[in-house]
Amino acid sequence: AQSVTQPDIHITVSEGASLELRCNYSYGATPYLFWYVQSPGQGLQLLLKYFSGDTLVQGIKGFEAEFKRSQSSFNLRKPSVHWSDAAEYFCAADTGTASKLTFGTGTRLQVTL
Amino acid sequence: DTAVSQTPKYLVTQMGNDKSIKCEQNLGHDTMYWYKQDSKKFLKIMFSYNNKELIINETVPNRFSPKSPDKAHLNLHINSLELGDSAVYFCASSLRGGSEQFFGPGTRLTVL
Repeated sequence: AQSVTQPDIHITVSEGASLELRCNYSYGATPYLFWYVQSPGQGLQLLLKYFSGDTLVQGIKGFEAEFKRSQSSFNLRKPSVHWSDAAEYFCAADTGTASKLTFGTGTRLQVTL
Repeated sequence: DTAVSQTPKYLVTQMGNDKSIKCEQNLGHDTMYWYKQDSKKFLKIMFSYNNKELIINETVPNRFSPKSPDKAHLNLHINSLELGDSAVYFCASSLRGGSEQFFGPGTRLTVL
């Protein structure tokens, strides 16, 4: 079955430190891949997406993600975290034809000052 | 200029009641969706509509009935509400299936 896995439920980093959130997918073919962020009490905002081409994609708010086919991964990174980055982060995948997103279980990011 | 809007933002009701949540998008998208986010933050698709036609129904109880009067609107009607229906419901839209989805702010439904 198609699935998206986020191994880390909760991550705490210090402000200014680097961040990497992990995401693995299990699909027959490479799906479209997305990272969304959800601030408390808010909807989901798209950070970045990968459809094809360059495996390092840039997103909003200084985030980037790297697609690695050999590892079935699409990890999210940020070189220097800001306190306002504290939120829930969701990785998601779509086959491109099924017209539905399959989400990971989310990673809650806490930022300490 | 909200892209995807939902009303109401909060909905508190008794078990057994019938309620509706409305969703509108002004992005000109063809495809709209309903997702349910449970208390553990897990997000799961419920329905997907393309140009007013139902294309995905993810084994949702038939107490849930989506209605799309036009491609800019996708409403969710829930009959005989149960405690387990308490969740946050998100509407989303995309230009077409497989493209990025834009989410509304969510409707927090609490069934007492």
